[in-house]
Amino acid sequence: DADVTQTPRNRITKTGKRIMLECSQTKGHDRMYWYRQDPGLGLRLIYYSFDVKDINKGEISDGYSVSRQAQAKFSLSLESAIPNQTALYFCATSPGGSSTDTQYFGPGTRLTVL
Amino acid sequence: GQNIDQPTEMTATEGAIVQINCTYQTSGFNGLFWYQQHAGEAPTFLSYNVLDGLEEKGRFSSFLSRSKGYSYLLLKELQMKDSASYLCAVPRDNYGQNFVFGPGTRLSVLP
Repeated sequence: DADVTQTPRNRITKTGKRIMLECSQTKGHDRMYWYRQDPGLGLRLIYYSFDVKDINKGEISDGYSVSRQAQAKFSLSLESAIPNQTALYFCATSPGGSSTDTQYFGPGTRLTVL
Repeated sequence: GQNIDQPTEMTATEGAIVQINCTYQTSGFNGLFWYQQHAGEAPTFLSYNVLDGLEEKGRFSSFLSRSKGYSYLLLKELQMKDSASYLCAVPRDNYGQNFVFGPGTRLSVLP
C-alpha cells in the first residue's frame, strides 16, 4: 500500500463550487504539505503543517484553506473554485526536525475547474 | 528571496551522459535536493547535497558549488526510463522548514 494517498485522483468541477482534496499518510510523519504544479512553474507551496495544531500559509494560499484533522490527515479546500485553480495538486510529508528531510509525495490530484 | 533556474528541456541518446544544471539564489543555504518526476506521477527523491563537491549514487551523481550558487545532476548510461522531469529544490529558510522548487528540466531519452 502507498504511504501517502490522495483522494480524489481526478476531479472536474464548475466555477464557484467548493472542493475538498484529501491526503492521508501511514509514514507517521509530523510534517505535511500541499503544493500545486502548473506547467513551467514547478511546485508551489500552498499550506504546510508541522503538527495537528500548527498550520502555516505558503506562497500561494489565497483562495485555499486547510484542515489537519489528525497526524495522518491533511485536507485542502477550495472555497469557491475558479478556472485558474486548474492544476495538479500534490500532498507531501516529511519526518520533521531536520533541514535535510526528504519530502515524500502522494500520487497527485488532477483538478479541472470549468 | 529565493530563485531557482533550470533549463526547460533537454534531449539525449540512450547510453549517453547528460548534465542537468541548476542555479539558485537564496537568502540562506541549507542544502540542495534533486527529485525525479515521471509524467503524471509524484516527484521522488534522488539526492541531497549540503557540502561542495560530487555525491555519487550509482548512475546518478550530483554536484554542488555553494560559492557559485550552482548544482548539476549527472546521469550516466542513460536509459529510456530516465525520461522524466528533474527538479532541484532548496530550503526556503535556514531551518529547512519548507522548500522552493525549480521549474524542472524535462529530459527526453531517445533510442
